[in-house]
Amino acid sequence: GNSVTQMEGPVTLSEEAFLTINCTYTATGYPSLFWYVQYPGEGLQLLLKATKADDKGSNKGFEATYRKETTSFHLEKGSVQVSDSAVYFCALRLRGSQGNLIFGKGTKLSVKP
Amino acid sequence: DTGVSQDPRHKITKRGQNVTFRCDPISEHNRLYWYRQTLGQGPEFLTYFQNEAQLEKSRLLSDRFSAERPKGSFSTLEIQRTEQGDSAMYLCASSLAAEANTEAFFGQGTRLTVV
Repeated sequence: GNSVTQMEGPVTLSEEAFLTINCTYTATGYPSLFWYVQYPGEGLQLLLKATKADDKGSNKGFEATYRKETTSFHLEKGSVQVSDSAVYFCALRLRGSQGNLIFGKGTKLSVKP
Repeated sequence: DTGVSQDPRHKITKRGQNVTFRCDPISEHNRLYWYRQTLGQGPEFLTYFQNEAQLEKSRLLSDRFSAERPKGSFSTLEIQRTEQGDSAMYLCASSLAAEANTEAFFGQGTRLTVV
């Protein structure tokens, strides 16, 4: 079936450290890929997206590249800040589907000053 | 328009009671989705509407659950005879259409606790 697997948390980093959150997917067809972020007390927000192989999504210093050969969409940031502390969800949407997203379990990131 | 809003934000109910949640999507969005999120898990799709038509229901949506979007604007999700296993965060999202790069906007959710 279609699914998303992301690294388990929690992840604790010091400010200015490099961040990688791994995400791999299994999908029939050719999905679009997304990273959503959930800050404490807030709703899910789209962080970045990519719709085809080798596309790089980027936003707020975060990047992720759609790798079809490894079915991956790893999230990276070169220098994290305390304000990046949140839960990060990788998700896919199947082409031609009804538009619903399939999410991973989420990875909680805590950044210490 | 301030985004997707959900009401109530929190609901505590006794097992066996019925509960109803409301979602107001972004006004021009024709698609509306309901998801359920349990602790430590990602959101799981429950059902979606295009305008007033309910076009898909997940197998997670038992017959105790019913959703409506009567005028193609706000939506309600009702759970009858609640069970402890229904305790979760219920999320609503809306979007303009389901093209590959369309963003879905989420509300803050309704947290249900069944005691």
